[in-house]
Formats: sequence, structure tokens, C-alpha cells
Amino acid sequence: GDSVTQMEGPVTLSEEAFLTINCTYTATGYPSLFWYVQYPGEGLQLLLKATKADDKGSNKGFEATYRKETTSFHLEKGSVQVSDSAVYFCALSDPGGANSKLTFGKGITLSVRP
Amino acid sequence: DTAVSQTPKYLVTQMGNDKSIKCEQNLGHDTMYWYKQDSKKFLKIMFSYNNKELIINETVPNRFSPKSPDKAHLNLHINSLELGDSAVYFCASSLLPFATDTQYFGPGTRLTVL
Repeated sequence: GDSVTQMEGPVTLSEEAFLTINCTYTATGYPSLFWYVQYPGEGLQLLLKATKADDKGSNKGFEATYRKETTSFHLEKGSVQVSDSAVYFCALSDPGGANSKLTFGKGITLSVRP
Repeated sequence: DTAVSQTPKYLVTQMGNDKSIKCEQNLGHDTMYWYKQDSKKFLKIMFSYNNKELIINETVPNRFSPKSPDKAHLNLHINSLELGDSAVYFCASSLLPFATDTQYFGPGTRLTVL
């Protein structure tokens, strides 16, 4: 079945450092790919998404490119802030209709030090 | 003005008890979901409802019974609680019943079964 693999965490960075969080997937067909973020004490919220190969999703300075050849959707940000400290989830959705569902990766905790 | 709310936030109970978790969304969405996040942070869908009709039912023990009295509410009742039910349960909603549609999550209910 479909699966999402995220790099092991946690990740600790200093403010203004460059961030990469790796995500690879296994899926039949052509899934859509997502990054969701969970800030402390809150529910998950969509950060960005890409629905086809070579699409780039971007939001709040974060970017991720849908790479079909490497089955990857790595999350990057050029300069992280303390407020980016959160748990990040990579996810994919199968292309089905009303029965389509999100498959999530394990989630990785990012801590940004001032 | 919380979009997706869950009660209670924490639930501690003994094995064998029956408990319920409530979820409400004020976004006017047609689709609601329950997810379970285990101790390793894996997030997995359990159920989804669209217009009060069940559309996704993953392989969940039948001790778990969702109930949707109206489009804005999706409650989760769990009978005969077991140790393995300890997890964080997230409710979510989306406008459309497609996984590509943005899902809005509640803050989670941490269930601990002793």
C-alpha cells in the first residue's frame, strides 16, 4: 500500500539556519503530496501541497518540489525562525474519489533556538 | 471562534470502560474525519463521514463507533477500552470528501487507558 517515510528527528537548528526535512513516498498511481504542520498545543494545518510532478508548493517561506523520479517531496526553508518550531508531517493522497484518504509520515519535531 | 474543537482535551480512564470524544466544526464543511496518532507519532485515518454518511472505515475494531448527528458534529464512542487504545485522537474536517481538499484539524484528545 501507499506509504510515506520521513527522516528521523528531532531536528534542532539555530535561528536563520537552512532547513531541509526529507520525505519520500511509495504509491501506486499519481498521488498528491502535502506538508502539514502542528504548532504546540494546536491541531495540524496545511502548510503546502503539490498535485503533480515538478509542481512546487510554497507558503510562509517554505518550499517543496514534487519529484516523481526520486519519489520525494523534501521541505526546505532558507532561514528558519523560532516561530517555526513545530512538528512537520509529510503526507500523500491517493487519486481516488470520495474514498481517497491521506497517508501520513511519522512527523518530525523541529526546534529552533534563538 | 475555534474552527474544529474537540472535548475533552485529556481523558484518563481504566481498561474496560466506555468513553466518548466529541468533535464540532463551525466551518460549514460537509466532511469530517477521525484520526489516531500513536506513541511514535504515526497518524492514521480511522473514519470519515460526508453529509452524515460513513465513507471511509479503515480496519478499526468495532469497539470504535463514530456517530454523526449532523454535518457539524462527529463523535467517537469507544467501548471496552484497552491499553492499546492509548493515543492522541484528532478530528478533522474538509469542505469536500476528497483527500486533496485541505483538512482542518482539531487540537487533539489525549486518551490514556490505565
